Amino acid sequence: QVQLVESGGGLVKPGGSLRLSCAASGFTFSDYYMSWIRQAPGKGLEWVSYISSSGSTIYYADSVKGRFTISRDNAKNSLYLQMNSLRAEDTAVYYCARVILQWGDAFDIWGQGTMVTVSS
Amino acid sequence: SYELTQPLSVSVALGQTARITCGGNNIGSKNVHWYQQKPGQAPVLVIYRDSNRPSGIPERFSGSNSGNTATLTISRAQAGDEADYYCQVWDSSAYVFGTGTKVTVL
Repeated sequence: QVQLVESGGGLVKPGGSLRLSCAASGFTFSDYYMSWIRQAPGKGLEWVSYISSSGSTIYYADSVKGRFTISRDNAKNSLYLQMNSLRAEDTAVYYCARVILQWGDAFDIWGQGTMVTVSS
Repeated sequence: SYELTQPLSVSVALGQTARITCGGNNIGSKNVHWYQQKPGQAPVLVIYRDSNRPSGIPERFSGSNSGNTATLTISRAQAGDEADYYCQVWDSSAYVFGTGTKVTVL
């Protein structure tokens, strides 16, 4: 079935780095735009980054611009988020999600999330 | 940057109708999507492009969008509808989520 599975979360010190992965299955990954969305503990949803199907178009939220890098490997059906210069406020569950352009850029499939904790 | 405002909470009696609003400047000109999130779970898309339901979402969920307000309506509310609900749009090369509404079924 259509599935997204995130991995790579964990505890990291402020200023440190972490790389998240999202493994896609059950659909033609290379046909879809993808996105990362996060949710701080007890807070709402915050969009982080977006990448087109070919990887040629990328957008970031202002809060992570210059620190995070989104990428994808269509041959491996995988999405990545390289997070550098991490701050306490980056602590959150990070979800990857599939974008449906035909549905007006809705997120129709979400992974279960991976927790990132930034603390000394 | 674009902002979407939702009420913090909405209460509805079992079997009655709940309406959750999402306010934004001229939101009627944008595609609005709605997500349901239960505790400890990932969000689920319940309405896309203002008023369309993905496969598997009950007809009790409906949406509308006009002027400065989009609305998610839950008819014949059930205990299983208790959750947080978020609206979302695409604006100026960024996705924007609403502040979220906690729905309680009494």
